[in-house]
Amino acid sequence: SQQGEEDPQALSIQEGENATMNCSYKTSINNLQWYRQNSGRGLVHLILIRSNEREKHSGRLRVTLDTSKKSSSLLITASRAADTASYFCATDDFNKFYFGSGTKLNVKP
Amino acid sequence: KAGVTQTPRYLIKTRGQQVTLSCSPISGHRSVSWYQQTPGQGLQFLFEYFSETQRNKGNFPGRFSGRQFSNSRSEMNVSTLELGDSALYLCASSRPDRDQETQYFGPGTRLLVL
Repeated sequence: SQQGEEDPQALSIQEGENATMNCSYKTSINNLQWYRQNSGRGLVHLILIRSNEREKHSGRLRVTLDTSKKSSSLLITASRAADTASYFCATDDFNKFYFGSGTKLNVKP
Repeated sequence: KAGVTQTPRYLIKTRGQQVTLSCSPISGHRSVSWYQQTPGQGLQFLFEYFSETQRNKGNFPGRFSGRQFSNSRSEMNVSTLELGDSALYLCASSRPDRDQETQYFGPGTRLLVL
């Protein structure tokens, strides 16, 4: 299975701090994506990084990808209470998506 | 542009019954994927439809089936429901171009099997 694993499973920080979560996967990928899910609702796409890219930025988000280690990290800078959610990495295998187990982020005001 | 819609949002069924869930993708999106999310197993891929054809399938028993209509709307059906089928069922659509990897999710249908 290509299913990824996020680390840590849960993270609690103060508003304004940075949050870093990691994702490891098992096989070759075309791209890796990060999604956010607010409490039992649908997922929202955050950012996509292709296998030939090493780093990507989008607003307060920074994603890195290390294909040699089969890992990715998501950094959220200057976190806000509204960032409280679960974050998932997803890899695709020709239109079949595999999601990791998720990191539950709690940002305390 | 309207987002992905799923109906119904909540559903309660009993063991042995069957259920049909509906998903309307974003206009212009031709790919629709279904996922099951449970606390124990996380998000698991069920199947993906593209232009009315099932293009990919996850590792779920035959009780789980789906279809897609010519307007890209999709339905999934679960027959002979089991307690373990209680889950949040998410549908996602994607565009048929370079951005096809990005999935746009609906709010989900929460199914409770008693």
